[in-house]
Amino acid sequence: DIQMTQSPSSLSASVGDGVTITCRTSQSINIYLNWYQQKPGKAPKLLIYAASSLQSGVPSRFSGSGSGTDFTLSISSLQPEDFATYYCQQYDTAPTFGQGTRLEIK
Amino acid sequence: EVQLLESGGGLIQPGGSLRLSCVGSGFTFSNHAMAWVRQAPGKGLEWVSNIRGGGDLIEYADSVKGRFTISRDNSENTLYLQMSSLRVEDTAVYYCAKGYGSQTRFDSWGQGTLVTVSS
Repeated sequence: DIQMTQSPSSLSASVGDGVTITCRTSQSINIYLNWYQQKPGKAPKLLIYAASSLQSGVPSRFSGSGSGTDFTLSISSLQPEDFATYYCQQYDTAPTFGQGTRLEIK
Repeated sequence: EVQLLESGGGLIQPGGSLRLSCVGSGFTFSNHAMAWVRQAPGKGLEWVSNIRGGGDLIEYADSVKGRFTISRDNSENTLYLQMSSLRVEDTAVYYCAKGYGSQTRFDSWGQGTLVTVSS
């Protein structure tokens, strides 16, 4: 199984800040990496697919990059609705998720 | 609009069985892989199983292999998860998720159904 290591596990930031979350895989997955946002009590929402493609309807302040084993999710100019938990997920083989990054308001 | 509606969750004793269902609408059900993803209370997301549109490829997480069976009825636009030999650690919200074609890129999710395994 492919192992996913997401960092940091938690992050504090202010409205208007930019943040970056990283995801590392235990073996190369090309670009088969997705990012999701989850708010408390809600289902996850797909933000980024294939490492850097923005899902329809997702604001352009979200962006993804990377290939192989190292990936990043960046959020520019944080908005109040962006404070949530973020997960990466690989789909090169049977899917696996990262452990999540909780983004909190400072 | 894509909609996924899960049902079948509840309280079950260890060793028991339960069947979850997920009805899809707003898309051509048979054209898309479908999956179950679970989330234990206060924990992260865990992929459980997925099945391709035609039912020809099925995968399971090691944690449920041999105990859970995924299936689908494309004539009824319904995905199933038959769970047996349930353990306390299977307690979670179970989400149904839609893939993008054959890819396990989960672009739509249901609201989830809670399964509690406890004596």
